[in-house]
Amino acid sequence: GAGVSQSPSNKVTEKGKDVELRCDPISGHTALYWYRQSLGQGLEFLIYFQGNSAPDKSGLPSDRFSAERTGGSVSTLTIQRTQQEDSAVYLCASSFMGGENQPQHFGDGTRLSIL
Amino acid sequence: AQSVSQHNHHVILSEAASLELGCNYSYGGTVNLFWYVQYPGQHLQLLLKYFSGDPLVKGIKGFEAEFIKSKFSFNLRKPSVQWSDTAEYFCAVKGSGGYQKVTFGTGTKLQVIP
Repeated sequence: GAGVSQSPSNKVTEKGKDVELRCDPISGHTALYWYRQSLGQGLEFLIYFQGNSAPDKSGLPSDRFSAERTGGSVSTLTIQRTQQEDSAVYLCASSFMGGENQPQHFGDGTRLSIL
Repeated sequence: AQSVSQHNHHVILSEAASLELGCNYSYGGTVNLFWYVQYPGQHLQLLLKYFSGDPLVKGIKGFEAEFIKSKFSFNLRKPSVQWSDTAEYFCAVKGSGGYQKVTFGTGTKLQVIP
């Protein structure tokens, strides 16, 4: 079956521009996560959506970052007024939270480069 | 708040050597524990998981991990590594019960030399 799909796979933009990254989770998965993977920084948690509950935004690094999840499915991560330090691979993962021990399924990520 | 520490950032081994990657977590309750692997050019995928029962869990490709509750550890082991094990390995923890987020460690890059 289809896995987690992220688009675009690569994005190059100029400093100061806004970008939108999209994640299509696996159908039926109620939990959705965004992470950022930077060189030498490991996997950094950004935001977590679970069903209709308020998202856990504790990992968002600044107010330039925001995310939405419409209809409990597709999610969009938006970065406003991008800075060079935003350059990273942005990963999305989803899991089925009907059982508490469900592992996450990751997409291939969006590689964001800020010039 | 939960946290995960992976003390080895970069490990280099020769083929057939034994592997142990450290993972320590901090959480004041029952946990679920995971190891994920990211092979070069591929996405993260689950290697193994622990949620209850036998603290020694076996995963794919000959990997295993042991949950030692008293040490808050979940180290990953493999008796004999192969060149194809070259990858980045991430330990992760999630509080058991309810809907709780997963926290990842910073990862360990393993390089296996033929």
